[in-house]
Amino acid sequence: GAGVSQTPSNKVTEKGKYVELRCDPISGHTALYWYRQSLGQGPEFLIYFQGTGAADDSGLPNDRFFAVRPEGSVSTLKIQRTERGDSAVYLCASSPRLASGSRNEQFFGPGTRLTVL
Amino acid sequence: AQSVTQLDSQVPVFEEAPVELRCNYSSSVSVYLFWYVQYPNQGLQLLLKYLSGSTLVKGINGFEAEFNKSQTSFHLRKPSVHISDTAEYFCAVTSINAGGTSYGKLTFGQGTILTVHP
Repeated sequence: GAGVSQTPSNKVTEKGKYVELRCDPISGHTALYWYRQSLGQGPEFLIYFQGTGAADDSGLPNDRFFAVRPEGSVSTLKIQRTERGDSAVYLCASSPRLASGSRNEQFFGPGTRLTVL
Repeated sequence: AQSVTQLDSQVPVFEEAPVELRCNYSSSVSVYLFWYVQYPNQGLQLLLKYLSGSTLVKGINGFEAEFNKSQTSFHLRKPSVHISDTAEYFCAVTSINAGGTSYGKLTFGQGTILTVHP
């Protein structure tokens, strides 16, 4: 079956512009995660959705970052007034519904490489 | 809070030699542990995971890892590497509650670049 897909694969924008990054999770996965991977670093958690609601947004760096998942499937990460420091690879992952005692394995997409000039 | 430290940023090794990539973690609660691999220009792929039970975990591509609770370590090993194992490897943890359900987010180490030379 299809894995996690992310579009676009590359995005180049100018400082101050607004960008949207899209994630299509694996069909039937209710949990969706966004991470950011800066050059030479491991991925850093941004936000986690369980269904349509953000269960944990503690990793969003500031109020320029926002994510939505209106129908519990596709998610969009939105960045306003982009800064050069936002340049990174943005990764999306999904996992099956969590039940009591179950474990989660996160399946990652290929990422969107964002470059802010 | 939890953290992961990968002790080596780069590990060069010759083909068919054994390799160990080191990972230590810190957490105030129980955790699940993972190793992911990232090949050039590709996404993260799960190599193996420790959830419970035997502390020696076997994964794909001949890799294995051993969970040591007293030393809070989860080192990755392979007895004989191939050129195709050249990639970046990430250790990660997630906190779990008493029922064994993860809280969701993964905390990653900084990564170890494994380079296998012919």
